[in-house]
Amino acid sequence: DVQLVESGGGLVQPGGSLRLSCAASGFTFGTYWMHWVRQVPGKGLVWVSRINTDGRTTEYADSVKGRFTISRDNAKNTLYLQMNSLTAGDTAIYYCTRDSSSTLLYWGQGTLVTVSS
Amino acid sequence: DIVMTQSPDSLTVSLGERATISCKSSQSILNNFNNKNYLAWYQQKSGQPPKLLISWASTRESGVPDRFSGSGSGTDFTLTISSLQAEDVAVYHCHQYFSSPITFGPGTKVDIK
Repeated sequence: DVQLVESGGGLVQPGGSLRLSCAASGFTFGTYWMHWVRQVPGKGLVWVSRINTDGRTTEYADSVKGRFTISRDNAKNTLYLQMNSLTAGDTAIYYCTRDSSSTLLYWGQGTLVTVSS
Repeated sequence: DIVMTQSPDSLTVSLGERATISCKSSQSILNNFNNKNYLAWYQQKSGQPPKLLISWASTRESGVPDRFSGSGSGTDFTLTISSLQAEDVAVYHCHQYFSSPITFGPGTKVDIK
């Protein structure tokens, strides 16, 4: 079975940094594009970033460009999101999700990031 | 960016009755070369991640009950639950994957009357 397990969330002060991880299993990780999507509890889904299979092509939402970096380690079957210069507006549940013919078929359970002093 | 809107924001429907959700995109998400609409629907139950129900506007994912159906083309789409069951209580999101950045609608909350 496909599994995506996020970790690394928590409470961080404004201006701080966090690194999220997403451990993938049950499929050939290195053959799929991967995404991060976030959601403020009770609100809608917002795409954050995506990365291609070999990690050389990345895209970001304007709201995080220059502050967040997506990366992957195909040998470790792990996706990452390095988040710097965090603000209260980045507070959300962050989901790791697998691209499947452009739709998002598999999602992790999410990890909560809270930016507050 | 393509803006997705949904209506209504929420609806309450009696068990066994029909629920209909509308989703509109700010520009066409129909690919004229393959005649496919790049529109998906997700169901999100409380405390859970989204679950993909329908892709390509009308193709149900494996295991999704046939009371769920998607329709529409271009900029106007509909998700229909033909006979609402208790387990269908959730927020439903539409999603366009026609162009980057991919975008989602704000969600429609479905409850039992």
